[in-house]
Amino acid sequence: GAVVSQHPSWVICKSGTSVKIECRSLDFQATTMFWYRQFPKQSLMLMATSNEGSKATYEQGVEKDKFLINHASLTLSTLTVTSAHPEDSSFYICSAGGGSGTDTQYFGPGTRLTVL
Amino acid sequence: AQSVTQLGSHVSVSEGALVLLRCNYSSSVPPYLFWYVQYPNQGLQLLLKYTSAATLVKGINGFEAEFKKSETSFHLTKPSAHMSDAAEYFCAVSLIYNQGGKLIFGQGTELSVKP
Repeated sequence: GAVVSQHPSWVICKSGTSVKIECRSLDFQATTMFWYRQFPKQSLMLMATSNEGSKATYEQGVEKDKFLINHASLTLSTLTVTSAHPEDSSFYICSAGGGSGTDTQYFGPGTRLTVL
Repeated sequence: AQSVTQLGSHVSVSEGALVLLRCNYSSSVPPYLFWYVQYPNQGLQLLLKYTSAATLVKGINGFEAEFKKSETSFHLTKPSAHMSDAAEYFCAVSLIYNQGGKLIFGQGTELSVKP
């Protein structure tokens, strides 16, 4: 149980375009989902926390208008990288949990974004 | 504020040898602590977690960790390394009490296993 999927697993796009990444909890309802960014050989950096039906909470330094997060249902959250630039190239990972009081997050397999 | 420090960005052991990956935490409240493993180009897989029950926690793949409050440590061990254990390992603390499960990760430790 507790499987989280991400789609796509990798994407290449041109500079200036937007890219949408989906995160789904396949066998449980996730009231809270988290989006992380990971640069090569580095740790995960939390970008934002999204709760179903409400606005995402962004970490300090993360541009809300550039990284749009939508958590429209208990099984789906999306991250849209708007007007992508080469510096946005990274590995994006989502995780899902049952919300406050749940002690475990389950991670998706990640999405490799390359912006040319 | 909560934080996690992993001592040693890279650890190398021989196959069959003891694995010890170090993690120290800082938390103003009793923490929830986790160890995750990441294989190349993949997401994170939960190895084990401490949630204020038994201080010695057993996880998957033969790993275990001991919570030591006096030392603020949560080191990960495995008695005998296997080639398949080569991966990146992350220790994390959860802000479960006040921020809905937000995880703070350590810097990661890359484990290499020599034949």
